[in-house]
Amino acid sequence: KQEVTQIPAALSVPEGENLVLNCSFTDSAIYNLQWFRQDPGKGLTSLLLIQSSQREQTSGRLNASLDKSSGRSTLYIAASQPGDSATYLCAVPVNQGGKLIFGQGTELSVKP
Amino acid sequence: NAGVTQTPKFQVLKTGQSMTLQCAQDMNHNSMYWYRQDPGMGLRLIYYSASEGTTDKGEVPNGYNVSRLNKREFSLRLESAAPSQTSVYFCASSERGSYNEQFFGPGTRLTVL
Repeated sequence: KQEVTQIPAALSVPEGENLVLNCSFTDSAIYNLQWFRQDPGKGLTSLLLIQSSQREQTSGRLNASLDKSSGRSTLYIAASQPGDSATYLCAVPVNQGGKLIFGQGTELSVKP
Repeated sequence: NAGVTQTPKFQVLKTGQSMTLQCAQDMNHNSMYWYRQDPGMGLRLIYYSASEGTTDKGEVPNGYNVSRLNKREFSLRLESAAPSQTSVYFCASSERGSYNEQFFGPGTRLTVL
């Protein structure tokens, strides 16, 4: 059974720091992995989707990597800003229908 | 582009009442999903529809029913609401199942008293 874990549960950094969020999964036979952002009281915003054949995907200051063999993905945020404060979730589909299994999320706080 | 829309945004029900949560997407996506989000439990899939005309159970389907009305709309019905169904409900869609990104709606906050 696929399980997705995100550590740490919370992270606080000063503005301007580069940071890495971690996501691990137990079954390496994945189609892809998706990173989301959730602001308090809001829905999920898709940040990046990495296909199983890719090792990296970039969008602006965000870079996501995928290592299927070790069951790990990282989300790198460069030059963090207070506006990056949110909960970041990773998720993997467990069937062709797209059923997603989510990690518990990392709550990021970027202090001015 | 509105993306994924959900109605209502908030709802309070009494135990035993019924209601339907509405979801619509304007991205011509084939697959649609209903999740619930609870503190400490994270996001869990209730039902999904991989394509128009099909629906399948997710992790927590008990107490819910769904209807894929057409390609755009996917509704979630609570026939007899229970306090355990107090949650935030999210609808999502993707172009084609697991191959593509899922896009989420803004959510419905439901309280069952």
